[in-house]
Order: sequence, then structure tokens, then C-alpha cells
Amino acid sequence: AQSVAQPEDQVNVAEGNPLTVKCTYSVSGNPYLFWYVQYPNRGLQFLLKYITGDNLVKGSYGFEAEFNKSQTSFHLKKPSALVSDSALYFCAVRAPHTSGTYKYIFGTGTRLKVLA
Amino acid sequence: DGGITQSPKYLFRKEGQNVTLSCEQNLNHDAMYWYRQDPGQGLRLIYYSQIVNDFQKGDIAEGYSVSREKKESFPLTVTSAQKNPTAFYLCASSRRASGEQETQYFGPGTRLLVL
Repeated sequence: AQSVAQPEDQVNVAEGNPLTVKCTYSVSGNPYLFWYVQYPNRGLQFLLKYITGDNLVKGSYGFEAEFNKSQTSFHLKKPSALVSDSALYFCAVRAPHTSGTYKYIFGTGTRLKVLA
Repeated sequence: DGGITQSPKYLFRKEGQNVTLSCEQNLNHDAMYWYRQDPGQGLRLIYYSQIVNDFQKGDIAEGYSVSREKKESFPLTVTSAQKNPTAFYLCASSRRASGEQETQYFGPGTRLLVL
């Protein structure tokens, strides 16, 4: 079955420290992976995506993600966390659906809390 | 959230009532989607539409209906058959539904509450 797992419900990190939010996936064929961020009572904002090429993908707000094919992981990272990074983060994978279309499969989300 | 609007921000439903959530986009995207978000469950796909006058069921379509009469609009009706409608509803769009590399962009959401 195609799926996305975010093993941590919450991640706490001190401001200025590096952060990692974990994501692993299971999908047939080439994986197309995405990270989104959600602030309270708001929609999801696109951060970055991996399609092909360099395994380290850079995105918005200083975030980056590392694709690891052997470990089927796509962890989100940032070298120095800000209090304003506190939010809910979703990993998603694009998978074949029906009639040549694709759908997103989302993880359950990881709440990041950056402590001042 | 730019380019996709959802209204209302909050919606209250009485038992047995149908309610309609609005989603409009000015991005000239062909594909539009509706998701339901519940705490601890991530996002689940309700319906999606690739082009005007066409739509497909997602994973949890029961109790919901949609229409796609215009490219920019994809309203979602929560019918009385949906017994547990309380959730945060998110609309999204992408240039196409058939492209592997397409990114979805989301609206700000509508929170539906049952009275």
C-alpha cells in the first residue's frame, strides 16, 4: 500500500538549534515528495518538493529536505530554528490514482515547537 | 493562500441540513480538490476535478457532493447523509491532475461545526 509516515507527533527544539522533521514513504514507481506547513486555522503552504536530481532540495523560509532512496525517507531540515517556525508540518507523496491522474497521500502531520 | 479563496471561514450546520462550502481560484488551474482535515489524521481526499463538468470521488466521498460548472469554482455540499461533518475543509488546485510533478496550492480553509 502507498503511504506516508511521520513518526513524531511533536518535535521540540530550542531557537537557534538545527531542526529535523522526519518523513518516510512507501510508493510504487518514482516518488514525488512534498513538504507543506500549516499555521493555526490556515490552509497549507507549499515549502518544497523533490522530483528528481540533487537529493538535497532547498525551499522556502530556509528549509531544506534530504531525499534518501535507500531509506525511503524525505526528512525536512533547517540549520537554525526560529520561534516563528512553530507550526504543523505535513509530508506528502504523489501517487497514481485513476484514469492517469495522481493524488496526494499526506502524513498525519508533525507539530514543531520552537522554544525561545 | 494566494489565488484560492474559501468561504465562509466558519460554517454551522443544523442536523439534517445540507450546507455548501465555496472554493474559487484565479490561478487558471485545471484541477481542483477537496480535502477533509481531522486532528491526528492528516488530510483525506473527498473529491477532485480535472476539468470543467468532470469530477471523481476520492477516498471519503460518501455524504458529500460537488459540481464543476466553471473552471474557477468547485463548491462542496455536505449533505445530511454525512453523519460526522465537523472538520476543517481545505480546497486546493493544481495546473493539472495528470502531471506527476504538479504542486497543489491550498485555500485558507472552512471550519464546519454542527449545532
